[in-house]
Amino acid sequence: DTAVSQTPKYLVTQMGNDKSIKCEQNLGHDTMYWYKQDSKKFLKIMFSYNNKELIINETVPNRFSPKSPDKAHLNLHINSLELGDSAVYFCASSQLGAEQETQYFGPGTRLLVL
Amino acid sequence: GESVGLHLPTLSVQEGDNSIINCAYSNSASDYFIWYKQESGKGPQFIIDIRSNMDKRQGQRVTVLLNKTVKHLSLQIAATQPGDSAVYFCAESHNDYKLSFGAGTTVTVRA
Repeated sequence: DTAVSQTPKYLVTQMGNDKSIKCEQNLGHDTMYWYKQDSKKFLKIMFSYNNKELIINETVPNRFSPKSPDKAHLNLHINSLELGDSAVYFCASSQLGAEQETQYFGPGTRLLVL
Repeated sequence: GESVGLHLPTLSVQEGDNSIINCAYSNSASDYFIWYKQESGKGPQFIIDIRSNMDKRQGQRVTVLLNKTVKHLSLQIAATQPGDSAVYFCAESHNDYKLSFGAGTTVTVRA
């Protein structure tokens, strides 16, 4: 029944490694997002895809590469992980053009880079 | 800089009292505002939203007030309960899909 799901929930890895986080939504939405939440709980948009096309690409290092194989999935691949990448990453989805463009969030992926 | 902010980072409230969480925004073009609740270890959860053509909207135990003149948004929670303890975020948008979040207010409910 989970609307927006993410895997893994926890990710502990060494500096320099490459890792991926997966996101899936079963709400039938056409738009998906990746947010980063830092240690002070500040949430910042990273990317957004609408119908598999990139529509938001904030100032994010190009080590971060999103991929949307279809409308229901948006994955985030991170190359050469750095200590500063440690954060909680949230996926969200919404339906553009709907009366209510509410974004629904997943449970988050807690990334710790050692 | 950030376009949305909250006046107070923390709020302590007695169980049963009403809570008011404030938020200021700077973008006068913003036309959609939303409040989220984030409990520990979970993702943000939608509470209530409001469009700029309204100044008040009510939900179950929650009311959002929008004052466009002073660019101020507030969330009122009636009869605060222990389960209301969480971090509350306001967010604004002016193009329907890009949300800008404030820093969050941590609400602690005292028994």
